[in-house]
Amino acid sequence: GAGVSQSPSNKVTEKGKDVELRCDPISGHTALYWYRQSLGQGLEFLIYFQGNSAPDKSGLPSDRFSAERTGGSVSTLTIQRTQQEDSAVYLCASSLQGSDGYTFGSGTRLTVV
Amino acid sequence: EDQVTQSPEALRLQEGESSSLNCSYTVSGLRGLFWYRQDPGKGPEFLFTLYSAGEEKEKERLKATLTKKESFLHITAPKPEDSATYLCAVQSPSGNTPLVFGKGTRLSVIA
Repeated sequence: GAGVSQSPSNKVTEKGKDVELRCDPISGHTALYWYRQSLGQGLEFLIYFQGNSAPDKSGLPSDRFSAERTGGSVSTLTIQRTQQEDSAVYLCASSLQGSDGYTFGSGTRLTVV
Repeated sequence: EDQVTQSPEALRLQEGESSSLNCSYTVSGLRGLFWYRQDPGKGPEFLFTLYSAGEEKEKERLKATLTKKESFLHITAPKPEDSATYLCAVQSPSGNTPLVFGKGTRLSVIA
């Protein structure tokens, strides 16, 4: 597609429920990144996929968070047993390997009530 | 650990009033320093990459400069449409490491 697509754009969930956030990167982009942006905070790195390599999971805040990337394209970020502190905007970005700059999606605003 | 500090947190300018935003960084070697613009409800939009001290890049009313410790984003004669949050990020040379972002500067330009 023309840009990075994320869905849903907004998600309200009850504490303790699981949620899945989807990212559809730009076709041909081999690198895919998930970041989290909380109010008043900078972008916090979560996880990074590069081609067929094992993902860099070093930013995931707890084992309730996981992500997968199927067929080198679409990625899903899953948060299990959501907590109120998980409320944030979850941003996905993609890039060509070795290129400058990421192209970000518009994000998913997650609210845990 | 790579760190990025942006100042000020917020800046209010009159239309036409030039100013600069600061990005100070600490990295174990710099592959690149990135500037992004973020509008409310949207993802960050790429503006510039700088690679070495002394480098400058321009785009319309924006000019980014880089030293060994900091980068500046100069805004000349800003217009209301320049209002946004400006984010700075760094990348270390260790392979394709993810960008480390600062918290941003929220710029408001008043007509």
